[in-house]
Amino acid sequence: GESVGLHLPTLSVQEGDNSIINCAYSNSASDYFIWYKQESGKGPQFIIDIRSNMDKRQGQRVTVLLNKTVKHLSLQIAATQPGDSAVYFCAENTGTYKYIFGTGTRLKVLA
Amino acid sequence: KAGVTQTPRYLIKTRGQQVTLSCSPISGHRSVSWYQQTPGQGLQFLFEYFSETQRNKGNFPGRFSGRQFSNSRSEMNVSTLELGDSALYLCASSLEVVAGGLIYEQFFGPGTRLTVL
Repeated sequence: GESVGLHLPTLSVQEGDNSIINCAYSNSASDYFIWYKQESGKGPQFIIDIRSNMDKRQGQRVTVLLNKTVKHLSLQIAATQPGDSAVYFCAENTGTYKYIFGTGTRLKVLA
Repeated sequence: KAGVTQTPRYLIKTRGQQVTLSCSPISGHRSVSWYQQTPGQGLQFLFEYFSETQRNKGNFPGRFSGRQFSNSRSEMNVSTLELGDSALYLCASSLEVVAGGLIYEQFFGPGTRLTVL
């Protein structure tokens, strides 16, 4: 499949453990954030979003935390599974017509 | 509901040629954005279209252009291809990127892998 990123930071996690992926965003005016998952050979897949008036949002096995004070976003994946292995991106929007993407983190799930 | 579709999925061209890539957004979505993804630069915004109008453009040379049709389908064109244009080109659609103070989620297609030889 395609190489999404050759020099991405990598997080290796044991299957069944929880994963925490971090993202420092660039613009204090950003109002909306999305986490995407990209598997080899595929386009980014929407996982979960959060608006700036929230500091936490939960989905199925995933939680996103937003700390506006330090411009930090994190994605927590509970009970990590082999199928979670992928590259994860955060994206921010300041209310303009474009999203800005982080560099991505590669998650490797060890059996 | 069908997702974002992109054609072709793979393309091989030589330097100097031009290429046209196509994107069909999710039904009802009127905003289409294009991104270039490379290992070295990550995901970079090319341009965004809404109702056949380009509303925002990234920092790419004029060789990169696009358009949107009345049915919201979009095409992007790269002329005079260079080796550095080899990348995964991603299309994303949204109901609207931002309206009434609300920002909307964006969904991606599978991408077109362009290789320039």
